[in-house]
Amino acid sequence: EIVLTQSPATLSLSPGERATLSCRASQSVSSYLAWYQQKPGQAPRLLIYDASNRATGIPARFSGSGSGTDFTLTISSLEPEDFAVYYCQQRSNWPRGTFGQGTKVEIK
Amino acid sequence: EVQLVESGGGLVQPGGSLRLSCAASGFTFSSYWMSWVRQAPGKGLEWVANIKQDGSEKYYVDSVKGRFTISRDNAKNSLYLQMNSLRAEDTAVYYCAREARTDYDIFQIDYWGQGTLVTVSS
Repeated sequence: EIVLTQSPATLSLSPGERATLSCRASQSVSSYLAWYQQKPGQAPRLLIYDASNRATGIPARFSGSGSGTDFTLTISSLEPEDFAVYYCQQRSNWPRGTFGQGTKVEIK
Repeated sequence: EVQLVESGGGLVQPGGSLRLSCAASGFTFSSYWMSWVRQAPGKGLEWVANIKQDGSEKYYVDSVKGRFTISRDNAKNSLYLQMNSLRAEDTAVYYCAREARTDYDIFQIDYWGQGTLVTVSS
């Protein structure tokens, strides 16, 4: 089973700051990685697919990078609505797929 | 607008059964792989199962194999999850989700329903 490890578990930042979230895979997942945002009481929302492609309607401040085992989600300048939990998911063994444990971005 | 609306959750005793439904609208349901993903209270996301457009292929996470069955009715634009022999560790919000083909010719979840809560407890 491919394990995804996200770090840090919690990121405390202020609005306007840059957020850098990491997702590391236990073995190569090529570029078959997505990022999701989840706010309390809401369903997840797709942000990034294929490691670096923004989903429809996602602001340009969100960007994804990486391939193989190391991936990064960057939020260039945090808006108040960006404080949430972020999950990565790999699909290299599609149709199955595993999620990371999540990174919470909280207001400092 | 893509809409996925789950129903059927509730409180069930250990060893019991429950059937979840998901009503899809706003897209051609029969053209998409569909998934169920769950989230235990205060925990992360776990992919549970998915099903091919015509229902001919189904896949499950190991922890539910032999207990859960995913199915679909394309005429009714509906997805289902039959859950038998339920355990306390199955307690979670269950999300219905659509899978879309990406540029790399794989599939990624692009839309989610709001979820339905399943609680397994005596």
